[in-house]
Amino acid sequence: AQTVTQSQPEMSVQEAETVTLSCTYDTSESDYYLFWYKQPPSRQMILVIRQEAYKQQNATENRFSVNFQKAAKSFSLKISDSQLGDAAMYFCAYRSEINSNYQLIWGAGTKLIIKP
Amino acid sequence: EAQVTQNPRYLITVTGKKLTVTCSQNMNHEYMSWYRQDPGLGLRQIYYSMNVEVTDKGDVPEGYKVSRKEKRNFPLILESPSPNQTSLYFCASQPLSGGTNEQFFGPGTRLTVL
Repeated sequence: AQTVTQSQPEMSVQEAETVTLSCTYDTSESDYYLFWYKQPPSRQMILVIRQEAYKQQNATENRFSVNFQKAAKSFSLKISDSQLGDAAMYFCAYRSEINSNYQLIWGAGTKLIIKP
Repeated sequence: EAQVTQNPRYLITVTGKKLTVTCSQNMNHEYMSWYRQDPGLGLRQIYYSMNVEVTDKGDVPEGYKVSRKEKRNFPLILESPSPNQTSLYFCASQPLSGGTNEQFFGPGTRLTVL
């Protein structure tokens, strides 16, 4: 079974600085998707960025980018120019391309604190 | 506005009193799913549905039921709630053709069972 591990329960960063959140996963599959979701205090789950495993190029969405290392099974999220609105729980999630139930497998989350 | 809605947003109930949490999406998505979120565990899938009248168990289905009589609705039923079902519940939907492989989430339902 696939697992997702986020080893940093909490991270803090100074406003305008850069922070990297770690995520590793375990799978024997070669085709899958990886996601980072943001959960602000409102509890709404917001998709930040996605990565298809077959794509070598790292995904980027404005200030958010990933470092996808397929061989190492690592999928870290980099947030540049951190803003107060980035404060939230961040979850890494995995979805198999083969498994037909479209289930997202989630990490435990990292709480990101932005210091003004 | 494309969205997934859940009701109620907050619910406090007592052990054994049947309850239903509703979920509705207006995006004509085939796939719908229920997750529960507990501290330190991330989200875990309870049940999912690939289309009308097609449902199946996720990782933690015990104590829950679902139905999918209409494409837009996917209610979660707790026949006899127990305190270990106190949790934050999310409904999600996703298109199975085209789309961006993104699951869209409802706002969450905070359930407390006393």
